[in-house]
Amino acid sequence: EVQLLESGGGLAQPGGSARLSCVASGFTFSSYAMSWARQAPGKGLEWVSTISGGGESTYYADSVRGRFTLSRDNSRDTLYLQMSGLRADDTATYFCTIPGGQLFFGPFNLWGQGTVVTVST
Amino acid sequence: QSVLTQPPSVSGAPGQRVTISCTGSSSNIGAGYDVHWYQQLPGTAPKLLIYNDNNRPSGVPDRFSGSRSGTSASLAIAGLQADDEADYYCQSHDSTLRSYVFGSGTKVTVL
Repeated sequence: EVQLLESGGGLAQPGGSARLSCVASGFTFSSYAMSWARQAPGKGLEWVSTISGGGESTYYADSVRGRFTLSRDNSRDTLYLQMSGLRADDTATYFCTIPGGQLFFGPFNLWGQGTVVTVST
Repeated sequence: QSVLTQPPSVSGAPGQRVTISCTGSSSNIGAGYDVHWYQQLPGTAPKLLIYNDNNRPSGVPDRFSGSRSGTSASLAIAGLQADDEADYYCQSHDSTLRSYVFGSGTKVTVL
């Protein structure tokens, strides 16, 4: 069974940092691009970032570019999202997800259960 | 402000058919990019419901169907059931933003 398990959420200070992890199982992790999406409380979904299967290419939403860094460790089947310069509007549930089809055109096939990040003093 | 606009809410009685619209522009749906739909049950992660306009992943009932016309797409739910109560989101590609874009979301209520 394909599973995505996120962790690392919690309370962070404005201007501070946090690192999210997503452990994948049930599929050949290195063969798939991976993404993060987020959902602010009571709001809709927003794509955050995507990384290619080998980790050579990364892509970011304008709202996080320059502040967030996406990486992966294929030996550990783990995806990481390093977040810095956190702002109140980064408060959201962050979902690890598997993009399908052509990147930026296809659907998100599977989603993890999410991890909550709250940016507040 | 979402690039794709959906009605905030839609409701129907059990057994009825409801439709959810997803209105875009010439830089996304109108440009012919595929539309995908997600169901998000309360307190859970989104689940892919329809991909590439009108295809259902394995396990999704055929009560759910997708269509598109011009700069809009629609999700139809036939034979509405109590466990269809959820938020539904459309998603596509936008050539101006060069990014994934999501709809604003629609809450479906079963009366």
